[in-house]
Amino acid sequence: AQKVTQAQTEISVVEKEDVTLDCVYETRDTTYYLFWYKQPPSGELVFLIRRNSFDEQNEISGRYSWNFQKSTSSFNFTITASQVVDSAVYFCALSDTDKLIFGTGTRLQVFP
Amino acid sequence: DTAVSQTPKYLVTQMGNDKSIKCEQNLGHDTMYWYKQDSKKFLKIMFSYNNKELIINETVPNRFSPKSPDKAHLNLHINSLELGDSAVYFCASSPADWRAKNIQYFGAGTRLSVL
Repeated sequence: AQKVTQAQTEISVVEKEDVTLDCVYETRDTTYYLFWYKQPPSGELVFLIRRNSFDEQNEISGRYSWNFQKSTSSFNFTITASQVVDSAVYFCALSDTDKLIFGTGTRLQVFP
Repeated sequence: DTAVSQTPKYLVTQMGNDKSIKCEQNLGHDTMYWYKQDSKKFLKIMFSYNNKELIINETVPNRFSPKSPDKAHLNLHINSLELGDSAVYFCASSPADWRAKNIQYFGAGTRLSVL
């Protein structure tokens, strides 16, 4: 069965701190996709990144970076120099075909 | 020019009523979805349609009936509403293009409160 675990329920940091959100997944598939979505206080779900199982290259986009390690079944998300606008619930998700299996989310609070 | 739009944004109703939530996407995507987010923020797939055909139907009470009149629309009708149906319902869509397949774009959600 597929499963996504986000063990950190809530993280609080002060602005400009770096923060890493952990994501561990389980699947028996050899081809799969991993995602991160952001849900700000306004409630919408915003797509951040997709990674396929054959591409273990880390990715950086501005202050955001993602570390995908198949050996540990992890797909962690780091925000560098966090800002108040980063405050949101972040979801990691797994997909083999069409449906997304979401983790329970990590609430990030960034204080000024 | 909203990509995935849901109406209404808020829905407050009494137990036992029947209600519908509408979803439209203008992205030209082939696949549309309904997800439910409960009070603990847990998100779970309910249904998926590809080109008006049902392809995913998770364990959802048959009081919930999706309808897709065309590939740009996926509506959700709920009969005999119960307190436990209170949640945020998200519509999403994804393209058929293999390069972008699996990336699902979400609507803003419909917050349903059953009293």
